[in-house]
Amino acid sequence: EDKVVQSPLSLVVHEGDTVTLNCSYEVTNFRSLLWYKQEKKAPTFLFMLTSSGIEKKSGRLSSILDKKELFSILNITATQTGDSAVYLCAVEAGGTSYGKLTFGQGTILTVHP
Amino acid sequence: IAGITQAPTSQILAAGRRMTLRCTQDMRHNAMYWYRQDLGLGLRLIHYSNTAGTTGKGEVPDGYSVSRANTDDFPLTLASAVPSQTSVYFCASSPDWYNEQFFGPGTRLTVL
Repeated sequence: EDKVVQSPLSLVVHEGDTVTLNCSYEVTNFRSLLWYKQEKKAPTFLFMLTSSGIEKKSGRLSSILDKKELFSILNITATQTGDSAVYLCAVEAGGTSYGKLTFGQGTILTVHP
Repeated sequence: IAGITQAPTSQILAAGRRMTLRCTQDMRHNAMYWYRQDLGLGLRLIHYSNTAGTTGKGEVPDGYSVSRANTDDFPLTLASAVPSQTSVYFCASSPDWYNEQFFGPGTRLTVL
């Protein structure tokens, strides 16, 4: 059974701190790993990672995948209160004919002023 | 319309009633999906459609049906709602089934 585990489950920091969110997975025929940010409503897409060791960046957010150790990290530098959200990790399994995403439970990030 | 829209935003429903959740996208995406999100269980796939005219079962399809008559619309029907179907339902789409998925705003459904 495909499995995605995120840690920590929740995190409280102050503005300006740097945070690292973790995602480990056990998936048959790994195809890609995706990160989403969920505020009050819909998850919004952040990154899609398919290759090991290649960092993806978008502003203060960055992510990297380690396919050998089966994990990914999402880094947020100089955090702001607007970064407060649930961060979801999902892994897409290959060997299927549809976008089969398995989601982790999410990490609740709270950034205090 | 821009992106994905879902209707209704929220709904309270008596057990045993039939309900259709609507999802429309204007991005001409081929693939569409329905998820439910429950506390502690994360997002789970109910049904999917790779292209208009085709549908398939996801992880938790029981009690739900879908149709895909055209590219833009992907309604989810609960034939006879039960309290365990109380959840937040998200529709998503992607250009093709192997691309990243984009989510709609969700429908909060309560079955009493």
